[in-house]
Amino acid sequence: DGGITQSPKYLFRKEGQNVTLSCEQNLNHDAMYWYRQDPGQGLRLIYYSQIVNDFQKGDIAEGYSVSREKKESFPLTVTSAQKNPTAFYLCASSIRGAGQFFGPGTRLTVL
Amino acid sequence: QKEVEQNSGPLSVPEGAIASLNCTYSDRVSQSFFWYRQYSGKSPELIMSIYSNGDKEDGRFTAQLNKASQYVSLLIRDSQPSDSATYLCAVNMLKGNGNQFYFGTGTSLTVIP
Repeated sequence: DGGITQSPKYLFRKEGQNVTLSCEQNLNHDAMYWYRQDPGQGLRLIYYSQIVNDFQKGDIAEGYSVSREKKESFPLTVTSAQKNPTAFYLCASSIRGAGQFFGPGTRLTVL
Repeated sequence: QKEVEQNSGPLSVPEGAIASLNCTYSDRVSQSFFWYRQYSGKSPELIMSIYSNGDKEDGRFTAQLNKASQYVSLLIRDSQPSDSATYLCAVNMLKGNGNQFYFGTGTSLTVIP
């Protein structure tokens, strides 16, 4: 089955901790994206990558980091510099000109 | 001005009625337009794509695009309770760093049995 997987489904972070969210796709899509969604709000772009070994900051990149070493993988690290990380994190992929396909999401909660 | 704007609703329609969802966008060079359905607690699901002026039909869904008015809409015919969800409008724009997607905040739809 082709698709996008995200893990874990739920993640709990302690103050001062860095955590990494996984995103993998087997759709052979070049572009991958990370969004954050807060309750009652729309999607906000954190980072995106159009090709391997290249990525760009989105609207709310502060406190986050990414890597794109393989076409299939685009992990997101939430660093301790992100002061309000509790949110629903969504990874997506697309081919040029077409719509995005989303993974199931990761819910991050700060303890 | 936001890149994509939607009426947040909530919108309630009786079962079997037509639900009409609307979206406006700010960038005239936008090329691609999408509608997503998001159930509570789930991730968005792509349900319609439209690239040229006019109507595009897929089952009970019809997307309408008017580039001159910078307006895109989604009609859901014969609405069912299972259509109750938040509907997100998205626009693909070519920016300096490549293609970016901009999302509206979503319209909450409730179909009343």
